[in-house]
Amino acid sequence: GDSVTQMEGPVTLSEEAFLTINCTYTATGYPSLFWYVQYPGEGLQLLLKATKADDKGSNKGFEATYRKETTSFHLEKGSVQVSDSAVYFCALEESYIPTFGRGTSLIVHP
Amino acid sequence: GAVVSQHPSRVICKSGTSVKIECRSLDFQATTMFWYRQFPKQSLMLMATSNEGSKATYEQGVEKDKFLINHASLTLSTLTVTSAHPEDSSFYICSVGSSSTDTQYFGPGTRLTVL
Repeated sequence: GDSVTQMEGPVTLSEEAFLTINCTYTATGYPSLFWYVQYPGEGLQLLLKATKADDKGSNKGFEATYRKETTSFHLEKGSVQVSDSAVYFCALEESYIPTFGRGTSLIVHP
Repeated sequence: GAVVSQHPSRVICKSGTSVKIECRSLDFQATTMFWYRQFPKQSLMLMATSNEGSKATYEQGVEKDKFLINHASLTLSTLTVTSAHPEDSSFYICSVGSSSTDTQYFGPGTRLTVL
């Protein structure tokens, strides 16, 4: 079946540091890929998405590129802020059904 | 980690009927559960936050009278789609949070098809 694997957290960074959260997937077909963010006490919010190979999703300074050859969708940001502290979920959707990674907690210190 | 179940896993109903979906946290007392909808090729959409013992908090654009949420206990939240129409056909998924591990545990989802 489909699966999503993302790096375990917490990831702890200083403000303005470079962020990478790795995500790899297995799927039988050609899924759409997503990154969601969850702030404390809130539900998941879509951060960015990509629907086909080589697409780059971007939002709020975050980027991720759909790499079919490496089945990856790594999340990156060049300069993180304290307000980026949250839990980030990588996910795929195929044939109507979503599959989620376990989430990676990001803590950004001033 | 928490095990979350949903029932039923799949339901087909006629237009105009109401459908109840249950979300159970089997080994975790959840004061908060989240309900989402998933459409093909689209992102998961948060519908509402279900709080035990109080009214649910609905996201903008979600009709609270159509999607009734009841969170009567720490292990059970229900979503009732009232007077269902074909456009309500979707995949509904719930999740339970764990503040101690900063993760979410997702139910397996319920596929609703309204004819």
